Amino acid sequence: GAVVSQHPSRVICKSGTSVKIECRSLDFQATTMFWYRQFPKKSLMLMATSNEGSKATYEQGVEKDKFLINHASLTLSTLTVTSAHPEDSSFYICSALGTSGSADTQYFGPGTRLTVL
Amino acid sequence: QKEVEQNSGPLSVPEGAIASLNCTYSDRGSQSFFWYRQYSGKSPELIMSIYSNGDKEDGRFTAQLNKASQYVSLLIRDSQPSDSATYLCAVEGGSYIPTFGRGTSLIVHP
Repeated sequence: GAVVSQHPSRVICKSGTSVKIECRSLDFQATTMFWYRQFPKKSLMLMATSNEGSKATYEQGVEKDKFLINHASLTLSTLTVTSAHPEDSSFYICSALGTSGSADTQYFGPGTRLTVL
Repeated sequence: QKEVEQNSGPLSVPEGAIASLNCTYSDRGSQSFFWYRQYSGKSPELIMSIYSNGDKEDGRFTAQLNKASQYVSLLIRDSQPSDSATYLCAVEGGSYIPTFGRGTSLIVHP
């Protein structure tokens, strides 16, 4: 099956620093990747759609200058949380669009738990 | 505004019973339907996908889709404690961007 990895799995940083999270599709090429955020006991919230070679499309309410997304290759997308603050502490999950049979399916990475002190 | 509704639960069933999880959606143009399982502190894992009306079976899991009534359900037969998790329903209408429900918490007690 399609495998998506994320690195790091956990990160603790000081307020004001920037954190980069990598998302890789290991055994398939993904022209489209997605970034989600999930707060405890809440549903997945789509932050942005990342397309290889073009600018990401951000959901309403998500600051594009704070959450920088780069999708430089067909297997790698990165999310950089700039000037992180405690309220940015959350579970960040990426997914990559792959093909299962004849249909496109999202395959999720294992997630990155960010704690901002 | 596309909406996907799920009862948050928790749904509690005894081991060996059938667990029935339901999901309704608002967009009649929806084409693809997915069920994900999410353990606490982990990311979602795809369990089933269904695209046409009727039932689709995979092992102990059966997805049921009724587009006329705009609902999709997931049945888990012979429920096991390891099935205890949150089950997310996702609905996609051709844009490759699914809308997720809030999830239903399932507890299977021995």
